[in-house]
Amino acid sequence: EAGVAQSPRYKIIEKRQSVAFWCNPISGHATLYWYQQILGQGPKLLIQFQNNGVVDDSQLPKDRFSAERLKGVDSTLKIQPAKLEDSAVYLCASSLAPTSYEQYFGPGTRLTVT
Amino acid sequence: SQQGEEDPQALSIQEGENATMNCSYKTSINNLQWYRQNSGRGLVHLILIRSNEREKHSGRLRVTLDTSKKSSSLLITASRAADTASYFCASNSGGGADGLTFGKGTHLIIQP
Repeated sequence: EAGVAQSPRYKIIEKRQSVAFWCNPISGHATLYWYQQILGQGPKLLIQFQNNGVVDDSQLPKDRFSAERLKGVDSTLKIQPAKLEDSAVYLCASSLAPTSYEQYFGPGTRLTVT
Repeated sequence: SQQGEEDPQALSIQEGENATMNCSYKTSINNLQWYRQNSGRGLVHLILIRSNEREKHSGRLRVTLDTSKKSSSLLITASRAADTASYFCASNSGGGADGLTFGKGTHLIIQP
């Protein structure tokens, strides 16, 4: 079974530039999550989708972050404009919720903002 | 915000010894999960324990949950070099399908 795919794996941008991350969840997983992991900390939930609808985006900085999941499969997370504090690993996860609550994580995109 | 706190932050033991790490959380939960993260395999689910369970086993892993103290522990028996990684507890406070709230993690080093 193919895992969660993410791209790019690494990205370096200057502050105030924009960036986009892509995620393809495990086939059949209706629930998709985006997390931000700052170095030395645990992941923090940014947004959760159920199919193509947003379930929870309470921790998403909506003035600069946006996400979509068109057609309920792939998802894109965008930052515009980026700040230095956005340097982190962005992790995408999917699950079979509500059948199973285990989450499967992709390899992440490491973003460096200079 | 980070809800869980793992203890200790770092742990170094000899191969073959047992490793115990603890986790505390702040609000009521539906379930609590433990994940392992290393550079080779990313973040991997280890075990899930539901709020009405007190103990669960999976291979060399044993997890306990005390909802009255809002705490959990993960025991890894007969440790191996490959167990070197960061371990995170993650709580789920909603209906079970909600996003997870992770702690800061315990960095475990297994000395050969």
